[in-house]
Amino acid sequence: DGGITQSPKYLFRKEGQNVTLSCEQNLNHDAMYWYRQDPGQGLRLIYYSQIVNDFQKGDIAEGYSVSREKKESFPLTVTSAQKNPTAFYLCASSGSAGGFNEQFFGPGTRLTVL
Amino acid sequence: QKEVEQDPGPLSVPEGAIVSLNCTYSNSAFQYFMWYRQYSRKGPELLMYTYSSGNKEDGRFTAQVDKSSKYISLFIRDSQPSDSATYLCAMSTSRGMEAGANSKLTFGKGITLSVRP
Repeated sequence: DGGITQSPKYLFRKEGQNVTLSCEQNLNHDAMYWYRQDPGQGLRLIYYSQIVNDFQKGDIAEGYSVSREKKESFPLTVTSAQKNPTAFYLCASSGSAGGFNEQFFGPGTRLTVL
Repeated sequence: QKEVEQDPGPLSVPEGAIVSLNCTYSNSAFQYFMWYRQYSRKGPELLMYTYSSGNKEDGRFTAQVDKSSKYISLFIRDSQPSDSATYLCAMSTSRGMEAGANSKLTFGKGITLSVRP
């Protein structure tokens, strides 16, 4: 089945630790995105990548880093510099064919800082 | 003023009611308008998509865009308990992947709808 997978589903981190969230897609999409969702805040864009080996900062990139070495993978690292990392993290991808490019979302990773 | 404002919730209605969900926006460059539905602890899924002004109907759902007023709406007819979810509006200046285009979406904060049996 085609889709987007995120792992782990739940993640606990101690303060001062870096953690990496995985996002993989088998939809052959060129573009991938990372969003953060907090209660009452909607989705806020962290980073996005429109092509392999290239990515751009979104609206709230501070304290996060990404890489895009493969088309199907777009891991997100939450660094110790992120002051309030507890949130629900969503990865999405969109295609390159003509017409409207719907963003497809993964199931999310819930990160809790202890 | 935020780029996209969405009516605050939560919203609770009885089964069978007509539901109206609304968003306003300030960026006149937005041309593509979407509604996403998100069930609890899941990722959002695209419900409706419209381009520019006008109406689009899909079953019990109607999406309406008024670019002159910078206002979009989602109507749900004969609401069902299975419609209980968070609804997010989203907007884009481009459809996604034209050369040089920016494929970013800007989301509203979302509104949680509960349909009571």
